Amino acid sequence: GEDVEQSLFLSVREGDSSVINCTYTDSSSTYLYWYKQEPGAGLQLLTYIFSNMDMKQDQRLTVLLNKKDKHLSLRIADTQTGDSAIYFCASKGYSGGGADGLTFGKGTHLIIQP
Amino acid sequence: EAQVTQNPRYLITVTGKKLTVTCSQNMNHEYMSWYRQDPGLGLRQIYYSMNVEVTDKGDVPEGYKVSRKEKRNFPLILESPSPNQTSLYFCASSLGARGLLGNSPLHFGNGTRLTVT
Repeated sequence: GEDVEQSLFLSVREGDSSVINCTYTDSSSTYLYWYKQEPGAGLQLLTYIFSNMDMKQDQRLTVLLNKKDKHLSLRIADTQTGDSAIYFCASKGYSGGGADGLTFGKGTHLIIQP
Repeated sequence: EAQVTQNPRYLITVTGKKLTVTCSQNMNHEYMSWYRQDPGLGLRQIYYSMNVEVTDKGDVPEGYKVSRKEKRNFPLILESPSPNQTSLYFCASSLGARGLLGNSPLHFGNGTRLTVT
């Protein structure tokens, strides 16, 4: 089946930029998503990018997509303590699971140091 | 407020005692899905439903049942729970799955933490 890989932990200092990386295998991916999961809560859609784009910016968030290398990244500028959460990368294609074709990564735990 | 509501939030039960986790969405979404989240394994899909009376197995359906009698509700049933079903469960919904509505994102409930002893 299809796969989405991301590192399990990332530790950054408050005020620095965080960059969370993700690689995926589904070459039919049409949309790529970033979800945020805060403690005790469900996954909340943070942002997404269509596969024919290579960058999307939304306030402190910048998503970069390298379709050739199947690499996605999420940059959070000026990281705050409220950004501490698990971040899931997900790809949507014709080969992924379920009827929605979504394949999730295992999540990256973003740890903020004061 | 548009939301996916799961109940209960926490549940402790014993092996073999049937239980149901309810899920309801108020967004008139066609597609609904159940996931379980386990440390180191991420999210795994249990069952999904494309529409009323249409359900299908996800990646880890064993030991679970679902039903979709109405558009808004998608309960998850564990007929005979076992300790390996101790997990955090999420219900999710979206406007559509593939096709024209395929870019509609998944909306998640806040989760149900189940412990089976």
